[in-house]
Formats: sequence, structure tokens, C-alpha cells
Amino acid sequence: EVQLQQSGAELVKPGASVKLSCTASGFNIKDTYMHWVKQRPEQGLEWIGRIDPANGNTKYDPKFQGKATITADTSSNTAYLQLSSLTSEDTAVYYCARGWLGYFDVWGAGTTVTVSS
Amino acid sequence: DIVLTQSPASLAVSLGQRATISCRASESVDSYGNSFMHWYQQKPGQPPKLLIYRASNLESGIPARFSGSGSRTDFTLTINPVEADDVATYYCQQSNEDPWTFGGGTKLEIK
Repeated sequence: EVQLQQSGAELVKPGASVKLSCTASGFNIKDTYMHWVKQRPEQGLEWIGRIDPANGNTKYDPKFQGKATITADTSSNTAYLQLSSLTSEDTAVYYCARGWLGYFDVWGAGTTVTVSS
Repeated sequence: DIVLTQSPASLAVSLGQRATISCRASESVDSYGNSFMHWYQQKPGQPPKLLIYRASNLESGIPARFSGSGSRTDFTLTINPVEADDVATYYCQQSNEDPWTFGGGTKLEIK
């Protein structure tokens, strides 16, 4: 079965960093692009960026440049999202998704990040 | 950035009737003979689910009650007939140009 397993919820202090994981099963992430999408409470969806795991090339929405870093480990079939200098504005659910042809056809269940002292 | 404007922001439709959701792009999302506009359904507490890709292609496993149409800057998602299980928020998304962007969402309720 094709699926994406995301890491558990995080409670982090302002100013800290956090690294989220997304492990694929049923397909090889080297054959696709992996994306991250942010959704704040009761808000819409925001595309953060993507990685081509085959070569490590990344693309970000400029809004997230400096805030988000996307990496991938093909040996473990896992994509990662690191968020730095966290503020309350980063409190959200973060989804990973598979997207090779321009759309997201497989989504993880989401990881809730809460930034609070 | 390509801005996607969805309308209405919310709508209430009677069971068995038609629901129509619009998505207007600030510039064309067409390239190479394709419209890079896609539609998702999101229910509370769940990730989004792909319904329609490239404007009019029904994703595998999605009921034929869902359909998409449009080109360039104007796109429509139609649900006909609406069922109780369709209560959700619907989003359009474009991938013709980086950064990929989403519409603001349309919340569908049953009247």
C-alpha cells in the first residue's frame, strides 16, 4: 500500500528548531518529488516547497526561505522538514505529500507543531 | 505568484442538488496543452484528498459525481448530486508556475 508515515506531534519553545520526518512505503521517493504543506488552525493550505530526492534539488516558496529546510534520505525512503527560529506563526499542521506531475496524490496524516513557552 | 480566488467562500446545498465551486487564477495556468489546476477535498481532522487533476481528470476511486472543467484562468468544480458525505472544504491548486499556490477554500454544507 502506498502511504506516507509522518512523525509525531511536537511542542517546542519559541526560538527553537524542529525536524519533522515523512517515511514513504509502497513507492520509492527517488521516483518522485516530495513536498511539504502548512496549514494553520482553521486556515487554508500553504505550499512550503519540494525536494527531488534523486539529486537533492529543492525549491521553496520565498515566504519560507530561511525558515524551512527540506532534505531527503533515499536509503530510508524518508523526507524531512526542518523549521528554525520558531514563533507562534509556525504553530500549524505540516503535511508531506507526493507530487511528481504537479498535483499531490498521496498525503501524510500531518504533524502538529505547537510553539509555546 | 499566481493568486487563486475561490468563490463562494461557503455554500449550503440540499441533498441531491448540484454544487458549483469556482476558482479564478490571476494569470493563465495553461502550458503545453494542459491546464495545471487541481482540486482537493478536506474533511476536518484529515489531510486533503485529490479529486481532480489537470482541470478535468477524475482521480482513481473518486465518484463520478465530481467533475472539473475550465481552462486558462477560470475553473469549476461541480458535485452533482451532492451527498451528505461531501460536507468538507474544497481547495483548488495550481502547479503551472512556482511557487505552487492554493485557493482560499470553499466550505460546503448541507442545507
